[in-house]
Amino acid sequence: GNSVTQMEGPVTLSEEAFLTINCTYTATGYPSLFWYVQYPGEGLQLLLKATKADDKGSNKGFEATYRKETTSFHLEKGSVQVSDSAVYFCALSGYNKLIFGAGTRLAVHP
Amino acid sequence: DGGITQSPKYLFRKEGQNVTLSCEQNLNHDAMYWYRQDPGQGLRLIYYSQIVNDFQKGDIAEGYSVSREKKESFPLTVTSAQKNPTAFYLCASSNLGGAYSGANVLTFGAGSRLTVL
Repeated sequence: GNSVTQMEGPVTLSEEAFLTINCTYTATGYPSLFWYVQYPGEGLQLLLKATKADDKGSNKGFEATYRKETTSFHLEKGSVQVSDSAVYFCALSGYNKLIFGAGTRLAVHP
Repeated sequence: DGGITQSPKYLFRKEGQNVTLSCEQNLNHDAMYWYRQDPGQGLRLIYYSQIVNDFQKGDIAEGYSVSREKKESFPLTVTSAQKNPTAFYLCASSNLGGAYSGANVLTFGAGSRLTVL
């Protein structure tokens, strides 16, 4: 069945460091891929998405490219801020529902 | 502003009690979902509904029940049959799309934290 695997956290970085959070998936067909972010005590918010191979989703300095050949959708940001501290979830679209990875906690310190 | 409202934000339950979590949306979305989140784990789907008066079990439906009498509302009841109900519960909604259409962008509520005493 469809599944998503994310790198385990927590990821701890200094402000202005480069961020990569790995995400790989298993799916039949050509699902859409998503990154969601969850700030402490809140629900999830859509960060970015890509609907087909080679698409690049981007938002708030974050980027991820849909790589069909490696079945990956890694999240990157060139320079993180303290305000980026949150839990990040990779997800793929199943039939009328989303399948989420386990989440990766990011902590950015000044 | 359009969005999803979950209530209560915090809820305490004694063992053996049923509790109901409210979820209301004013986004005119057809589909609604309930997810459970445990510390350090991802989201697991409990139930979802694509149309009024119809709903489907997700991956962990045992011990839970739902109803969808109105498009805007999708309440979740945590019954006494749920053996480990302490968790963070998230409601979400979306427009419907076909499989892999990319239309399934979920909008989430702020969540309800249930603790069993």
